[in-house]
Amino acid sequence: QSVLTQPPSASGTPGQTVTISCSGTTSNIGSNYVYWYQQFPGRAPKLLIYRNNERPSGVPDRFSGSKSGTSASLAISGLRSEDEADYYCAAWDDSLDGVLFGAGTKLTVL
Amino acid sequence: EVQLVESGGNLVQPGRSLRLSCAASGFRFRGFEMKWVRQAPGKGLEWISYISSNGDRINYVDSVRGRFTVSRDNAKNALFLQMNSLRVEDTAVYYCATSSFSEWEPPEFWGQGTLVIVSS
Repeated sequence: QSVLTQPPSASGTPGQTVTISCSGTTSNIGSNYVYWYQQFPGRAPKLLIYRNNERPSGVPDRFSGSKSGTSASLAISGLRSEDEADYYCAAWDDSLDGVLFGAGTKLTVL
Repeated sequence: EVQLVESGGNLVQPGRSLRLSCAASGFRFRGFEMKWVRQAPGKGLEWISYISSNGDRINYVDSVRGRFTVSRDNAKNALFLQMNSLRVEDTAVYYCATSSFSEWEPPEFWGQGTLVIVSS
């Protein structure tokens, strides 16, 4: 597996809750922590969620992560226009002996 | 505050070489593993290499193995990526990154990136 599987796009209206999924295998998500990143055009990725469901200091609690088996998800509640960005999941892959990223999900706030 | 600043990106012809640098500050560099991640224009993130804190463990993604070499100078708080035999498909923004949690996890901190364009 070369990438974790994410939907290419997601959308929602302000105030809604949007969920982005991330699917992997037993060699990555199934046996390691999942991370989530937010990226705006021309900017470096920003860590949103680490170790499946932990938020770094400064990340609003509107962002939450969960993991079950070989899948994970990022939920964004109280959607805001400034949440419009690309979102990536990532996990260590034991077979690759490196980090595997999802292909990214472009979130549009309608 | 952790700071990672990449440099060395440039326009280079296919087959040529380039050396990227990453200057680290704000943390005990010698105690942290480091990673290189790249992002081709309009594409997703791709991990390409890691190096352990003392340099004894190194790995690469298959697409760069044998062409790229990662190294570090703990005395100078610097990380390097020597890129040889560059290909058009190596065109990307290259990020150095690290984590305070574990070397077996995705990055926590990222630099701002440096752009490498491989074109004739």
